[in-house]
Amino acid sequence: KNEVEQSPQNLTAQEGEFITINCSYSVGISALHWLQQHPGGGIVSLFMLSSGKKKHGRLIATINIQEKHSSLHITASHPRDSAVYICAVRPGTASKLTFGTGTRLQVTL
Amino acid sequence: EAGVVQSPRYKIIEKKQPVAFWCNPISGHNTLYWYRQNLGQGPELLIRYENEEAVDDSQLPKDRFSAERLKGVDSTLKIQPAELGDSAVYLCASSPFLATGELFFGEGSRLTVL
Repeated sequence: KNEVEQSPQNLTAQEGEFITINCSYSVGISALHWLQQHPGGGIVSLFMLSSGKKKHGRLIATINIQEKHSSLHITASHPRDSAVYICAVRPGTASKLTFGTGTRLQVTL
Repeated sequence: EAGVVQSPRYKIIEKKQPVAFWCNPISGHNTLYWYRQNLGQGPELLIRYENEEAVDDSQLPKDRFSAERLKGVDSTLKIQPAELGDSAVYLCASSPFLATGELFFGEGSRLTVL
């Protein structure tokens, strides 16, 4: 079992829909990252969280430390949001990130 | 401000040939990472530098992979000789803080070994 599990693995939505991507992890962490990767492109850091909630534009990230769970929400989704969204955690005092395998999002017109 | 710069973006070589990737991190970032990402998988850490010191290279296949970060700025990752299974995207990332801060990734170098 991976230390970081994401769901769903694949997601198709219509433009304008509200999207939720989930990330569960099994170890104590000091931080959780949400990353975005476009096809053929590099990785962009969206959020780094250790508690609570962060918002940037149409993106919202929440984390529940007790439940070892985080969600990434996209409001009013757009085709340009189509990408792979990756959750990564920093276990305890470790300096190494553990990555999930990503959620592939396709937003259609 | 320029982001993390990697080159080449794409490289196709035959097996047993050598290959090298270059990374220029964001100015002032002391921590530099090399990751390998196979298709459909998350990135896997190969090596992490704090300034010019490799502080975590436990996942680097040292029989064929080598890396250096002279003067604690630019870094190169070399594979010699390359094998078919080395086909992947090699990602460089940097962080402003001692391995606890936000990561900034480059565009990656996609290697295809024939």
